[in-house]
Amino acid sequence: AQTVTQSQPEMSVQEAETVTLSCTYDTSENNYYLFWYKQPPSRQMILVIRQEAYKQQNATENRFSVNFQKAAKSFSLKISDSQLGDTAMYFCAFMTGGANSKLTFGKGITLSVRP
Amino acid sequence: DAGVIQSPRHEVTEMGQEVTLRCKPISGHNSLFWYRQTMMRGLELLIYFNNNVPIDDSGMPEDRFSAKMPNASFSTLKIQPSEPRDSAVYFCASGWTPSYNEQFFGPGTRLTVL
Repeated sequence: AQTVTQSQPEMSVQEAETVTLSCTYDTSENNYYLFWYKQPPSRQMILVIRQEAYKQQNATENRFSVNFQKAAKSFSLKISDSQLGDTAMYFCAFMTGGANSKLTFGKGITLSVRP
Repeated sequence: DAGVIQSPRHEVTEMGQEVTLRCKPISGHNSLFWYRQTMMRGLELLIYFNNNVPIDDSGMPEDRFSAKMPNASFSTLKIQPSEPRDSAVYFCASGWTPSYNEQFFGPGTRLTVL
């Protein structure tokens, strides 16, 4: 079974600064996908970024980037130039390849951006 | 596109009552997922469907929970009888197989069982 661990329950960052959220996972699979989802106070789950395990290049989406370390099974999210709207819970998630695979989520981390 | 639609947004009921949560996936998507979110257990997958067929219901907590997808545009999650420990936010998500494509989440239904 796959597991996803987010060991930090909460973090705080000053507006305009950079913050990194940690995530580790455990799997014996070689073909899989990793995701970061954002859940603001509105409760809406929003996909932030996705990484395919077969790609060596780290995914980037505007101010969001990941540090994917496959051997270490680590998948951290870096948010640059933090904005007040980044305040939310962030969930790391894992999915094996294949047509009928499913997402396994970590417990989440609450990020607060201070003005 | 209206996104994934869930109803009701909030439901308060008494223990023992039947609760039905509804979901309309995004048109054209062929996979649908039901999740439950609580403080204690986080976000859990309850069941998911591919082309209206249940693929994996191993996350359904017990026989009091049932889910149906009679057609590509509608799904229900039913709890009968409801218990206070069922209080949670229930999310529906839809996507396009293979599932590693993005799943689009609905706004959730906050269920409170008194």
